[in-house]
This record gives sequence, C-alpha cells and structure tokens, in this order.
Amino acid sequence: AQSVAQPEDQVNVAEGNPLTVKCTYSVSGNPYLFWYVQYPNRGLQFLLKYITGDNLVKGSYGFEAEFNKSQTSFHLKKPSALVSDSALYFCAVRDSNAGNMLTFGGGTRLMVKP
Amino acid sequence: DAGITQSPRHKVTETGTPVTLRCHQTENHRYMYWYRQDPGHGLRLIHYSYGVKDTDKGEVSDGYSVSRSKTEDFLLTLESATSSQTSVYFCAISESSTSWETQYFGPGTRLLVL
Repeated sequence: AQSVAQPEDQVNVAEGNPLTVKCTYSVSGNPYLFWYVQYPNRGLQFLLKYITGDNLVKGSYGFEAEFNKSQTSFHLKKPSALVSDSALYFCAVRDSNAGNMLTFGGGTRLMVKP
Repeated sequence: DAGITQSPRHKVTETGTPVTLRCHQTENHRYMYWYRQDPGHGLRLIHYSYGVKDTDKGEVSDGYSVSRSKTEDFLLTLESATSSQTSVYFCAISESSTSWETQYFGPGTRLLVL
C-alpha cells in the first residue's frame, strides 16, 4: 500500500530565509509525487510534481522540490520565504502499481514571520 | 480554482437528514473525485467517477453515495448525515487516470452535522 508522511505539523521560518517542508513516501512501484498548497478557506492549488527524470523539480511561486529515491523523500523548498507563503502544504503520492488512488499526507502548516 | 464550482459552500444540518453536495466543472474532464479533509488526515478519497454513470468507491466510502448523470456534474449524497461526517468536502477533476495526471480541486464545502 502507498503512504505519505509529513513529519512536521508546523514549520516556522523568518521572511527571507530558506524554507523546507518535508515529505517521505512509501510505494511498491514507481512513485509519482505532488505538492499542493491550501490558503485559508480555499481549495488545494497544484504547485509541482515529479514524474521522472531530473530530481529537482521547479514549480509555481518559486517553489522547488527535490526527489531522493534512496531516502524516499520529496522535500519542498524555497530559497527565500515570503510572508504570503504562509499556508497549509500537502504532499501526495500515486503508486504506479496502485491504480488511480492519490494518497495525501496529513499536511504541514508553514508560518513565515516578518 | 480550475473551472470547478461546489455548492453549497457552507451547510449546517442535523443528524439523520439527507444532504447532497454538488460539484460542477467546465473543463470537460472525464474524471471527477470527492474527498473529505479532516485535521491530521490530509485528504481522503470518498468516491470517484470515470465517466457518466461510471463510479467507484474510494478509501472512506461508507455512508456516502454518488451520481454522475452529466459529464459536468458529480453529486455526493449523505443518505443520513452523522456527526462523524462533519468535514470539509472537496471535489477534484482530472483529464485522465494516468499515474502522473494532476488533479485540480474546487473551493470546498464546509459541512457541519449537529
């Protein structure tokens, strides 16, 4: 069975500092990995995804994520955080052996302070 | 929110009453999904549809039914609402079921069952 873990409920970072939101996964086949962001009272917005190829994936709003197969991780990063990046972030995985099911992590709240 | 609307956006109901939530898309995508979002659980799939009149169960389908009579509309029904179904419900769409296909989400419906 596929699973996703986001080990931090909340990440605090100062504006201008780099940020990392962690995600680890477990699949039996090849992983397809996604990051979404949720602003208050809004739906989830797609940020980026890893399919294959380059381990560093670039996405919307200056975010990027690094796929690490040996560590089964897909951490979300941004070189310089903005206060407006404060939101709830979800990692999700789909296993190539598990049909159409997309499994989400529990979410990490990012707080960027001025 | 990717041409997806959900109605109602907020609803308060009493235990034992039937409730129907509507998802409407203007993207002509074949696949539609219903998720529920609960703190600490991320999003969990309730049901999904792969075409008109074609639906299947997800991870947490007990107590829910769905119908899709038109490509653009996907209805979620709680036959007899319970307090455990208090949640935020999200509809999502995707063009295909390939493993790397991105799902796009609607704005959500906040349901409170008293």
